[in-house]
Amino acid sequence: GAGVSQTPSNKVTEKGKYVELRCDPISGHTALYWYRQSLGQGPEFLIYFQGTGAADDSGLPNDRFFAVRPEGSVSTLKIQRTERGDSAVYLCASSAGTVLSGGYTFGSGTRLTVV
Amino acid sequence: AQSVSQHNHHVILSEAASLELGCNYSYGGTVNLFWYVQYPGQHLQLLLKYFSGDPLVKGIKGFEAEFIKSKFSFNLRKPSVQWSDTAEYFCAVIPFYNQGGKLIFGQGTELSVKP
Repeated sequence: GAGVSQTPSNKVTEKGKYVELRCDPISGHTALYWYRQSLGQGPEFLIYFQGTGAADDSGLPNDRFFAVRPEGSVSTLKIQRTERGDSAVYLCASSAGTVLSGGYTFGSGTRLTVV
Repeated sequence: AQSVSQHNHHVILSEAASLELGCNYSYGGTVNLFWYVQYPGQHLQLLLKYFSGDPLVKGIKGFEAEFIKSKFSFNLRKPSVQWSDTAEYFCAVIPFYNQGGKLIFGQGTELSVKP
């Protein structure tokens, strides 16, 4: 597609449930990033993929968070045993190479609400 | 801790007023610098970026930013704002040692322009 697509756009889940958030990057973009944006804050880095592998997962807050990109295109961010503090907008971005190639293209995000 | 600081949380201006949004970072080495904008209901978009060379960078929609290395600053400016500039603005940094990605964002500045 023309841009980075994230689904769903909104997700409401109960505390303790498992959720999956999907990111479909721009075709051909090898680099894919996940960020989390809490209310009133700037986006915070979670994880970066180069191809299929996670090149940097240092931003994942704990082992309840996991992300995959099995074929080097679509990525799924998985959150187990969700907590109210996980409520945020989860952003995905892709890039043709590293950021030096011209910056990211961001998706519109998935707004996750844990009740 | 290494960080990016945007000093103004919310700025309110009238149309045609001049704009300057502050951004300071705490990394001592070489950095790549960015300003992103998020219009209401839209995804993050790149306004401008600085990698090297002329420290005065021109971006889209009449925005510019000046990198002052001695002050660790990358302030965003526009001589005359329009109502359509109402948005949230994020400064972001990538330290040179982390070329794989990992944008580090400031907390954002909300700009409201009164018609």
